Amino acid sequence: QKEVEQDPGPLSVPEGAIVSLNCTYSNSAFQYFMWYRQYSRKGPELLMYTYSSGNKEDGRFTAQVDKSSKYISLFIRDSQPSDSATYLCAMVDSSYKLIFGSGTRLLVRP
Amino acid sequence: DVKVTQSSRYLVKRTGEKVFLECVQDMDHENMFWYRQDPGLGLRLIYFSYDVKMKEKGDIPEGYSVSREKKERFSLILESASTNQTSMYLCASRSFGTSGNTIYFGEGSWLTVV
Repeated sequence: QKEVEQDPGPLSVPEGAIVSLNCTYSNSAFQYFMWYRQYSRKGPELLMYTYSSGNKEDGRFTAQVDKSSKYISLFIRDSQPSDSATYLCAMVDSSYKLIFGSGTRLLVRP
Repeated sequence: DVKVTQSSRYLVKRTGEKVFLECVQDMDHENMFWYRQDPGLGLRLIYFSYDVKMKEKGDIPEGYSVSREKKERFSLILESASTNQTSMYLCASRSFGTSGNTIYFGEGSWLTVV
């Protein structure tokens, strides 16, 4: 079993939809949680970073962490075609070990 | 703004050639990483460096070596390139304690070995 599980998609939604992207993890030592967006043939760019359980909002993006369920989510409101990309979750444990999910491909249709 | 620069975006090399991939960061970060990314396999860690002249093997170090002589520069070396090393290579850096250990990536280097 992988330490971090992420559905590869693709997830196809119409423009304006609310998108929910999710990762589950098995290691309770994970403390820091990040979401990256990666456009085709580009490096991943950091979108959101969270530490504690709960929600963190930045514009149209909301990151949610539920440590009790070992589950993190990224919500995108009013999705745009420019949001079409692969989204990677990442986690860091107490020894600073970094693990990435395999990425979910999102397609927002105009 | 954070900046991780990979000097070569696209390279084509022949089997058996020695290949150097260079990465420079301007954020004074202690940690630097080299990953490769392949379809269906996600990001796989090749090598990382905690600080200058320090290096640790990642998950797939075979066929690779690294060099970190200066804090801002981390080089990946393919001693004798093979076709199974055709991939996208990503350099990244991280600073402990600030920004919660977030990692910043370069734009990637696409290597084709023929």
